[in-house]
Amino acid sequence: GNSVTQMEGPVTLSEEAFLTINCTYTATGYPSLFWYVQYPGEGLQLLLKATKADDKGSNKGFEATYRKETTSFHLEKGSVQVSDSAVYFCALSDLRGSNDYKLSFGAGTTVTVRA
Amino acid sequence: GAGVSQSPSNKVTEKGKDVELRCDPISGHTALYWYRQSLGQGLEFLIYFQGNSAPDKSGLPSDRFSAERTGGSVSTLTIQRTQQEDSAVYLCASSLEAGFEAFFGQGTRLTVV
Repeated sequence: GNSVTQMEGPVTLSEEAFLTINCTYTATGYPSLFWYVQYPGEGLQLLLKATKADDKGSNKGFEATYRKETTSFHLEKGSVQVSDSAVYFCALSDLRGSNDYKLSFGAGTTVTVRA
Repeated sequence: GAGVSQSPSNKVTEKGKDVELRCDPISGHTALYWYRQSLGQGLEFLIYFQGNSAPDKSGLPSDRFSAERTGGSVSTLTIQRTQQEDSAVYLCASSLEAGFEAFFGQGTRLTVV
């Protein structure tokens, strides 16, 4: 079945530091990939997505590139702010392969940015 | 509505009681998902609907859990004879079609005492 493995946290860094959260996936088909973010006390929000190989999703300074050859979708931000402190979830859905249409999530990575 | 709406936002119930959790998806979204998030844990898939049918019920933890969706819209997740391990935040999401990007509600925090 489909699965997502993401970097374990927690991750603590200083403002303006570079952030990378690794995400790799296993899928029988050709999945769409997502990053969701959960800010403290809030619900999950879609941060960015990519639907085919080499696509780059971007939003709020975050980027992730769909790498089919390495089955990865790493999240990056060049200069984090305190307001980026949140839990980040990598996810996939597989529309064109296994008929496994549910969103499969990674375990989540807690990121804390210190001023 | 503008977003996915879940009710109640908080529910405290006694062990052994039944509870019903409601989800109103975004209008026009045909797919609806239920997940569970325990404290400090990731998202556990429970069930999803395409229209009124549930192609994948594989995540329901036991036969105490059931869900239905009527009219291709509102969904209800029912937990019978609640146990303390059922305490969690229950999240509902909807998407235009199954497999597309999903939009989440704020969740229902269930506490079984």
